[in-house]
Amino acid sequence: GQNIDQPTEMTATEGAIVQINCTYQTSGFNGLFWYQQHAGEAPTFLSYNVLDGLEEKGRFSSFLSRSKGYSYLLLKELQMKDSASYLCAVRDAGGGNKLTFGTGTQLKVEL
Amino acid sequence: GAVVSQHPSWVICKSGTSVKIECRSLDFQATTMFWYRQFPKQSLMLMATSNEGSKATYEQGVEKDKFLINHASLTLSTLTVTSAHPEDSSFYICSARGSSGRYETYNEQFFGPGTRLTVL
Repeated sequence: GQNIDQPTEMTATEGAIVQINCTYQTSGFNGLFWYQQHAGEAPTFLSYNVLDGLEEKGRFSSFLSRSKGYSYLLLKELQMKDSASYLCAVRDAGGGNKLTFGTGTQLKVEL
Repeated sequence: GAVVSQHPSWVICKSGTSVKIECRSLDFQATTMFWYRQFPKQSLMLMATSNEGSKATYEQGVEKDKFLINHASLTLSTLTVTSAHPEDSSFYICSARGSSGRYETYNEQFFGPGTRLTVL
């Protein structure tokens, strides 16, 4: 099975940088996803890591260390619209593409 | 990106009735669709994996006779909540995995907008 931990809530200031951590213990691993979810809406894809290292995509970057079972999502130049829940999800090693989600980190961006 | 739709977006029903939720991939074929449930302020919990033309695979603790899943085509999966009760009230979200072409980059799942079910 999978066990995924994220902080429940975080608060940051507009224009700043915030790092959201995710740790996981898994029986199998085939990639880690980060999704953004606004209240009452479906999750939207942000990033994907399967190899160690940093993946950068505009204001968003994601890092993975498989040996440590650790990932983080880095958001730069925060905007008010970035206030949302950020979900870390691990994909099973099997061919079924099954995802297990963490509980999500509710980010609040303030002026 | 790939578009997945769900219908209805919200539904209110009486206890004991059945509700059907549709999930469609609009611009790609999806051999596999997933059904999730999300309670307020909680994360997505996978209920079942739906494969086109075969029986769905249910997660532990999910009653297959209560949550009927049909994946009759490569673009449509349905979830029927039978004999719904107030504790079934939740946000139901489907996702689809592209089976070919440009939506296979990360083999990622594309999510529908969700269906809010309220059982009175």
